Amino acid sequence: QVQLVESGGGVVQPGESLRLSCAASGFAFSTYAMHWVRQAPGKGLEWVAAISFNGYNAYYADSVKGRFSISKDNFKNTLYLDMISLRPEDTAVYYCARLGYCSGGGCFYYGMDVWGQGTTVTVSS
Amino acid sequence: EIVLTQSPGTLSLSPGERAALSCRASQTVRKNFLAWYQQKPGQTPRLLIHGISTRATDIPDRFSGSGSGTDFTLTINRLEPEDVAVYYCHHYGDAASWTFGPGTKVEIK
Repeated sequence: QVQLVESGGGVVQPGESLRLSCAASGFAFSTYAMHWVRQAPGKGLEWVAAISFNGYNAYYADSVKGRFSISKDNFKNTLYLDMISLRPEDTAVYYCARLGYCSGGGCFYYGMDVWGQGTTVTVSS
Repeated sequence: EIVLTQSPGTLSLSPGERAALSCRASQTVRKNFLAWYQQKPGQTPRLLIHGISTRATDIPDRFSGSGSGTDFTLTINRLEPEDVAVYYCHHYGDAASWTFGPGTKVEIK
């Protein structure tokens, strides 16, 4: 079935780095744009980063620009989020989600219809 | 960047009642790129509505979306205890702009 499974979360100290992974299965990963969304404890959803279906274009929220890097390996069906210079305010559950697929007929957007279960990142000294 | 505002912050209703959740955008939403998600306690968000009014797969017809321009509404008819959740509106699309509203919490009296 269609599935996204995140991994790589953990407890780190401020200033440290972490790489999150999101393994996709059950759909044509190479045709989908992918996103990372996070949720701080007790807070709402915050869009973090996005990458185009082919991995050529990446976009970031201002809060993570210059510190986070999103990438996509269409051969391994895996999405990544490399995070450096982590701050306590980066503490959150990080979800990967798919939004929008592209085919020969163009790109189509139907909202974030598949989400992973989330991986928790805690930044604390 | 489009900023989304949701109201009310919390909605407390009895089973069987109708819930109307509002989402207002700071700019006109292009191409109907407005979605709603439901997040039950301890669970992952679930897509309810995309394109302002199209229900996602397996979403019951008690849920409906409406609106245009900058004002949008998620309506939940015949409220059930299982509808207790936080509901988020979301602007998405092809213009490198994705934002979520702060959410509306729906409680059952």
